[in-house]
Amino acid sequence: EAQVTQNPRYLITVTGKKLTVTCSQNMNHEYMSWYRQDPGLGLRQIYYSMNVEVTDKGDVPEGYKVSRKEKRNFPLILESPSPNQTSLYFCASSSYTGKSHGYTFGSGTRLTVV
Amino acid sequence: SQQGEEDPQALSIQEGENATMNCSYKTSINNLQWYRQNSGRGLVHLILIRSNEREKHSGRLRVTLDTSKKSSSLLITASRAADTASYFCATDRALYSGGGADGLTFGKGTHLIIQP
Repeated sequence: EAQVTQNPRYLITVTGKKLTVTCSQNMNHEYMSWYRQDPGLGLRQIYYSMNVEVTDKGDVPEGYKVSRKEKRNFPLILESPSPNQTSLYFCASSSYTGKSHGYTFGSGTRLTVV
Repeated sequence: SQQGEEDPQALSIQEGENATMNCSYKTSINNLQWYRQNSGRGLVHLILIRSNEREKHSGRLRVTLDTSKKSSSLLITASRAADTASYFCATDRALYSGGGADGLTFGKGTHLIIQP
């Protein structure tokens, strides 16, 4: 089944403790991205990657890092999480060529930073 | 930055009626997409309309795009209880349009409730 898999689904952590949210896709998509969803603010793009070793900032990149060492994986790293990073996070992928088929989203990671 | 803005924010109708949601955006786009989200779950892609298209159909869904007005509408015909969800429009930013980062820009969504 074609899918984007995020882990974990739920995570509660403390301020300052480094964490990684993993994202993997099995569709050989070139394009991957991370979004956060907050009440009243909708979904905002954090980082995106157009291919292996190519990453770029989205609209709200502060406090986040990403890497794209393999085509299928695009982890989101919070080096020193803070309470304002409490949010629902989504990973998405797309075939970049024409992007004519829309994006496939993961099921989400609900992060709480206390 | 939020580009798409859906209208209305919430909509409640009876099962079997049609539901119409609108979306406005600000910059040049490659395409506009509609997604559905059930209660905090992942987003599901519904339909994509390219900037050179005016109307598109998929099953009970009909999407229109007016690039001169920078607006789109999503019509769901013969609604069902299972259509209860939040619906988001998302614009795929035109490359080199000066719109900033590549990728999707989402509106805040329309919450649709279908009353049985």
